[in-house]
Amino acid sequence: QKEVEQNSGPLSVPEGAIASLNCTYSDRGSQSFFWYRQYSGKSPELIMSIYSNGDKEDGRFTAQLNKASQYVSLLIRDSQPSDSATYLCAVVNDYKLSFGAGTTVTVRA
Amino acid sequence: GAVVSQHPSWVICKSGTSVKIECRSLDFQATTMFWYRQFPKQSLMLMATSNEGSKATYEQGVEKDKFLINHASLTLSTLTVTSAHPEDSSFYICSANVGGSSTEAFFGQGTRLTVV
Repeated sequence: QKEVEQNSGPLSVPEGAIASLNCTYSDRGSQSFFWYRQYSGKSPELIMSIYSNGDKEDGRFTAQLNKASQYVSLLIRDSQPSDSATYLCAVVNDYKLSFGAGTTVTVRA
Repeated sequence: GAVVSQHPSWVICKSGTSVKIECRSLDFQATTMFWYRQFPKQSLMLMATSNEGSKATYEQGVEKDKFLINHASLTLSTLTVTSAHPEDSSFYICSANVGGSSTEAFFGQGTRLTVV
């Protein structure tokens, strides 16, 4: 069974701190990995994609991928109250997206 | 990013009636679209893959006769929930990938269905 697991939340961080989100996946053949942000009552919004081992930075967001360990992470630097949302890790299996349960992040002002 | 438009954003219907939800790709063509369902406090679950010009592919446990999918053009897929019941109340979301081999999915706004 193909699964995507995320670290359980909720995660509460003070404004300006780093929020660290983790994700593991079971299908070693997966090649595409994504992080989505979902505000309450809204649909997911793509914030990062990563396909190769290593780090990928985009503004305050850094995604890290380690295919050997089947591990994907997302760092949010200088967290802002507007970053408060649920973050979904998604992995492509057979051209379909499988989602983790999500980690809810709350940034305290 | 690419724009996927979903309509309606919310709908309330009586038990036993049918509801149609539309998903449009506004600035690109999508030969494949995906339909998800999300219950409160849960993640997205793929219901079916909508293929332009051919039958949809349903995930295990999803009733194809209850959730009718039509993908008649490269920019429009529809999901019809037939004979809706209160347990069908959920957040339904469609997505489409931009580009032939791209796996980056862009989501519609979602439709909140409430069956009373």
